[in-house]
Amino acid sequence: GAVVSQHPSWVICKSGTSVKIECRSLDFQATTMFWYRQFPKQSLMLMATSNEGSKATYEQGVEKDKFLINHASLTLSTLTVTSAHPEDSSFYICSARDRHIPLHFGNGTRLTVT
Amino acid sequence: AQKITQTQPGMFVQEKEAVTLDCTYDTSDPSYGLFWYKHPSSGEMIFLIYQGSYDQQNATEGRYSLNFQKARKSANLVISASQLGDSAMYFCAMRGPNTDKLIFGTGTRLQVFP
Repeated sequence: GAVVSQHPSWVICKSGTSVKIECRSLDFQATTMFWYRQFPKQSLMLMATSNEGSKATYEQGVEKDKFLINHASLTLSTLTVTSAHPEDSSFYICSARDRHIPLHFGNGTRLTVT
Repeated sequence: AQKITQTQPGMFVQEKEAVTLDCTYDTSDPSYGLFWYKHPSSGEMIFLIYQGSYDQQNATEGRYSLNFQKARKSANLVISASQLGDSAMYFCAMRGPNTDKLIFGTGTRLQVFP
């Protein structure tokens, strides 16, 4: 079964509003989680590395003030898209690593900003 | 810089036949890991198989095998005896040394028909 739960699966919001996406590791503690974004017909691109108890590390070109990441506990990381605009419409997916080699991914969130 | 290339946007295969999904990579690091993930349209990203750069043998996991050709920098996924449930997007990814960050290809959509 799924070991990483991501919520919501899809969300439609109006331009200018903020949207929060949650990523939970279900049966393991994840000191590090990753947030990816995928635009149509493009690769999954790493946005940021979420570190429990400290600030997230953002990839080049990702606006930290727009994509707020909070990793408040060992099982929960949240991504908030602030003042969303239509160009933020994308597929967002989180991943977390336990002791094993493969990263576990959530189901992803399809965000549509109207 | 690391890069993953999947040149096949879509592939069709008949049920019970084998199919090869192409993946080439580029990196200057001698130590790296290669992954394949399956992403059904309605489900989580599923880890399929992993190949380490120093592994002498090609990785196999059930019906999945990874044709690792280091000199050619290719890591093709071979699915034997295709099933209808194999229809999904397939992503090739690479991880560099001492990091959990994954670099993804653009994916290949596999459609298995009866």
